[in-house]
Amino acid sequence: SQKIEQNSEALNIQEGKTATLTCNYTNYSPAYLQWYRQDPGRGPVFLLLIRENEKEKRKERLKVTFDTTLKQSLFHITASQPADSATYLCALATGGGNKLTFGTGTQLKVEL
Amino acid sequence: DARVTQTPRHKVTEMGQEVTMRCQPILGHNTVFWYRQTMMQGLELLAYFRNRAPLDDSGMPKDRFSAEMPDATLATLKIQPSEPRDSAVYFCASGLPTGSDTGELFFGEGSRLTVL
Repeated sequence: SQKIEQNSEALNIQEGKTATLTCNYTNYSPAYLQWYRQDPGRGPVFLLLIRENEKEKRKERLKVTFDTTLKQSLFHITASQPADSATYLCALATGGGNKLTFGTGTQLKVEL
Repeated sequence: DARVTQTPRHKVTEMGQEVTMRCQPILGHNTVFWYRQTMMQGLELLAYFRNRAPLDDSGMPKDRFSAEMPDATLATLKIQPSEPRDSAVYFCASGLPTGSDTGELFFGEGSRLTVL
């Protein structure tokens, strides 16, 4: 069966450290993968996209890697801040156009 | 500031009642999605439209749910009759035409439905 797995346990880290979130998938061959941020009571907001032929993508303090052999994406936030506390969702392009299937998300809490 | 607009933001209803949720996608976006989010299941795709035509509604319980796009500025999701297990947050999202750079989706703030 097809699965997208993110760590369901909340991730607590100290301010200034690097947060690393994992997204693993099985039985998909996505053309690209995206990461979204979701705050309580709000809709998800797009952060980054990485294509199947890209190994790494960066945007400010964010870095995403994509290993199609391992079927895994890692999402890094460097120099984390309390304002980075949120739930982070990975999403795979699983159909034509921009149809996305989402993982269940990982809650990140950055503590002072 | 372009955004996806959803109404109502909150809805409490009794089992058996009809519920209609509305979405105004961002002008110029030709793909529209309905997702349902629960703690247990996360974000589940219910329906997907491109150029107002339904492309995929395999995630939607057909006996009680229906989704339409009467015109390019309005998408609706209807539940009739509603059941307690339909309680969730329903998100509408729209996207740029396929072949655009990012394929990102723009989400509304959601409609929180509680069925008693």
